[in-house]
Amino acid sequence: AQSVTQLGSHVSVSEGALVLLRCNYSSSVPPYLFWYVQYPNQGLQLLLKYTSAATLVKGINGFEAEFKKSETSFHLTKPSAHMSDAAEYFCAVSDWQGGKLIFGQGTELSVKP
Amino acid sequence: DAGVTQSPTHLIKTRGQQVTLRCSPKSGHDTVSWYQQALGQGPQFIFQYYEEEERQRGNFPDRFSGHQFPNYSSELNVNALLLGDSALYLCASSQDRGLNTEAFFGQGTRLTVV
Repeated sequence: AQSVTQLGSHVSVSEGALVLLRCNYSSSVPPYLFWYVQYPNQGLQLLLKYTSAATLVKGINGFEAEFKKSETSFHLTKPSAHMSDAAEYFCAVSDWQGGKLIFGQGTELSVKP
Repeated sequence: DAGVTQSPTHLIKTRGQQVTLRCSPKSGHDTVSWYQQALGQGPQFIFQYYEEEERQRGNFPDRFSGHQFPNYSSELNVNALLLGDSALYLCASSQDRGLNTEAFFGQGTRLTVV
């Protein structure tokens, strides 16, 4: 069985500060890992994905995530937060790229001016 | 490319009624998945359709059923609606084969059951 835990349902940072959103996963098979962003009343947009090609994954809008097998983690970071980054972020795991996604509960990111 | 389109965007139904939600996948995609997102929660997988058949199913009752048409579009049907079925229903499409088979999501259908 697979599962995802996102630590912190709400994270608040100042504009220009580092963004760190935490995700830990559980999987009995090599996982595919994803980060999605959701703006209010919108669907989900893919930020980045890990498919075993490289442990450090770069995504859109300056976000990146590092796959750490020993820690079963896939934390999302961005060096400098922008006001437009305020949204809900979801980490997800799957046993293959096109398979069902198991999502975490989400982390709401607030960015203060 | 219009991306994944869902209709309607909003819907209000009465408890006990039936509802049908529709999804058109992104151009070139042949697989459609449906998710239910309750308020303040992450999306929950309902089922996935490929080649007009249900390929995977999540932990949802038989009241939830679906269909995929030859043009890859899909419908989600929910019978005997309960208040707890109120949620955002998301459709995602993907390619079954290829290097990039990740899911692309539509804007969702907001279902309110009263």
